[in-house]
Amino acid sequence: DAGVTQSPTHLIKTRGQQVTLRCSPISGHKSVSWYQQVLGQGPQFIFQYYEKEERGRGNFPDRFSARQFPNYSSELNVNALLLGDSALYLCASSLNAGVSYNEQFFGPGTRLTVL
Amino acid sequence: AQSVTQLGSHVSVSEGALVLLRCNYSSSVPPYLFWYVQYPNQGLQLLLKYTTGATLVKGINGFEAEFKKSETSFHLTKPSAHMSDAAEYFCAVSGSGTYKYIFGTGTRLKVLA
Repeated sequence: DAGVTQSPTHLIKTRGQQVTLRCSPISGHKSVSWYQQVLGQGPQFIFQYYEKEERGRGNFPDRFSARQFPNYSSELNVNALLLGDSALYLCASSLNAGVSYNEQFFGPGTRLTVL
Repeated sequence: AQSVTQLGSHVSVSEGALVLLRCNYSSSVPPYLFWYVQYPNQGLQLLLKYTTGATLVKGINGFEAEFKKSETSFHLTKPSAHMSDAAEYFCAVSGSGTYKYIFGTGTRLKVLA
């Protein structure tokens, strides 16, 4: 079975631009979470979506938004990019959301560089 | 609230020596605990997890970890390091009814020949 897939693999943008990152969860998984991993740090939670609804949001500005589609894939959008947005963006999928134990399976990430 | 502290941002061991990576957690709910490994320019791979039950957890590649509630610790060990173990290791905590993983800042393991 295919794991979590993310596209693109790498992306270079300039300050002020907007970016969209995409994630396809494991087949049958209904929940998608997004994490930001800045170089030298651990991943930081951005969003979780379950059944197309936002279930949780981390401490990120409103420039960050996401959505989940009927096929459970997801997009993360970042507007007005800042240099500090340069990071590896990880997507994780799980069967459900916040119900007992739900292992999250991580994708390979999208490396965003903001110049 | 939940948090994770990984002591030692860099750890060096000789090939064949014991690997010990430290993780302490704080959680207001019964914790689920995880260790992930990340190789350069790659995503996260789950090494092992503790949810409930046996406190000594065995994972892939010969790694294991022991959940010690009294010490709020979940240290990762491997009896004999291999060159291929060189990577960054992250400890994470979650819990029943919570929707996110809280990660530590990571420990970069270097294996010396």
